[in-house]
Amino acid sequence: NAGVTQTPKFQVLKTGQSMTLQCAQDMNHNSMYWYRQDPGMGLRLIYYSASEGTTDKGEVPNGYNVSRLNKREFSLRLESAAPSQTSVYFCASSELPGSDSPLHFGNGTRLTVT
Amino acid sequence: EDQVTQSPEALRLQEGESSSLNCSYTVSGLRGLFWYRQDPGKGPEFLFTLYSAGEEKEKERLKATLTKKESFLHITAPKPEDSATYLCAVPWNSNSGYALNFGKGTSLLVTP
Repeated sequence: NAGVTQTPKFQVLKTGQSMTLQCAQDMNHNSMYWYRQDPGMGLRLIYYSASEGTTDKGEVPNGYNVSRLNKREFSLRLESAAPSQTSVYFCASSELPGSDSPLHFGNGTRLTVT
Repeated sequence: EDQVTQSPEALRLQEGESSSLNCSYTVSGLRGLFWYRQDPGKGPEFLFTLYSAGEEKEKERLKATLTKKESFLHITAPKPEDSATYLCAVPWNSNSGYALNFGKGTSLLVTP
């Protein structure tokens, strides 16, 4: 049972480069999320998708875009990477939005921007 | 604005030494409080959801309790394998639904 799969696991970018982080879940969940985790800052919500066809900004959306490609897949794009975007990025999914069911997390993408 | 504060930031215990972690929150209309465990290099793993003051849930050596202003995660006779970061979270409301707002976590180290 794969759960939430994130690719790549590690990535190094130069300032100004672009990339897309991929996330797929096989639990038939409706809602999907992107968080970033930084030392001393905890997990912060970037974007989320309560259901297929909808996306909403979270706490720290600047510099990112998302696409809910279908019910399974939710991608996060950095158009012009900056050193401040060095972080660990986690994708998560839940059966229902927010309070009604727990989040299931992937194991993260570790991104370094030089 | 809704906030979640966890204390202490770090805790070191001897094996068998019981203790509690705290999560205080300020939300308008609590729709659940969640506890997660995170091991190094992994994503958070769900432990408990509490919905109303007075509610308690248990899993092995862990027991979570909830009051109107805070939640406690009690760890009884911990073992080294309980070492992890423990996160609490509350739902954050926006136009299209809820997402979870996390505290910064308590890093627990249990030594033999």
